[in-house]
Amino acid sequence: EVQLVQSGAEVKKPGESLKISCKGSGYSFTSYWIGWVRQMPGKGLEWMGIIYPGDSDTRYSPSFQGQVTISADKSISTAYLQWSSLKASDTAMYYCARLGGTIFGVASFDPWGQGTLVTVSS
Amino acid sequence: SYELTQPLSVSVALGQTARITCGGNNIGSKNVHWYQQKPGQAPVLVIYRDSNRPSGIPERFSGSNSGNTATLTISRAQAGDEADYYCQVWDSSSWVFGGGTKLTVL
Repeated sequence: EVQLVQSGAEVKKPGESLKISCKGSGYSFTSYWIGWVRQMPGKGLEWMGIIYPGDSDTRYSPSFQGQVTISADKSISTAYLQWSSLKASDTAMYYCARLGGTIFGVASFDPWGQGTLVTVSS
Repeated sequence: SYELTQPLSVSVALGQTARITCGGNNIGSKNVHWYQQKPGQAPVLVIYRDSNRPSGIPERFSGSNSGNTATLTISRAQAGDEADYYCQVWDSSSWVFGGGTKLTVL
């Protein structure tokens, strides 16, 4: 079974750093892109960025470029999303999801991780 | 940037057919995917490439895409279909989601 398991909920203060993870299993981790999606409280889905663990090729949404860093460690089948200095506005649920193919215009996100809730509050 | 427009909410009587639209400029030329998100849960893919159902998704879910509108159709709606539904496309190196539609089954 293809599965993505994310790290647990985090509570942080503004200005702190954070790295959350997404571990893939049941498939060849290096052969599929992994995307990150933000969902702010009561709001919709926003694509943040995507990484190909095979060679760490990474693309960012213009809205998130420079705000977060996406990385991957293929030796442990894990992708990461990190912040160097959190803001209260980063409070949200963050999902990772596998892109089901290498042709961007065709492939969909499936499956999704269970989500990691990040709360930033002083 | 490309925009996808969905109605905020759609209501359907139990057992009837619900249609959720997703509008975008010439969206018929793109591949549209649909996701279902129930409260407190992660999104789940219910339709990919306009009209294809992943394994495990009931036949009651179907999709179409033409011109400037893609449509997710849920036949014989059940209480368990109550959820938020999002359409999604890829455009100009970005993955774009619609704003989401809340489906209420009456």
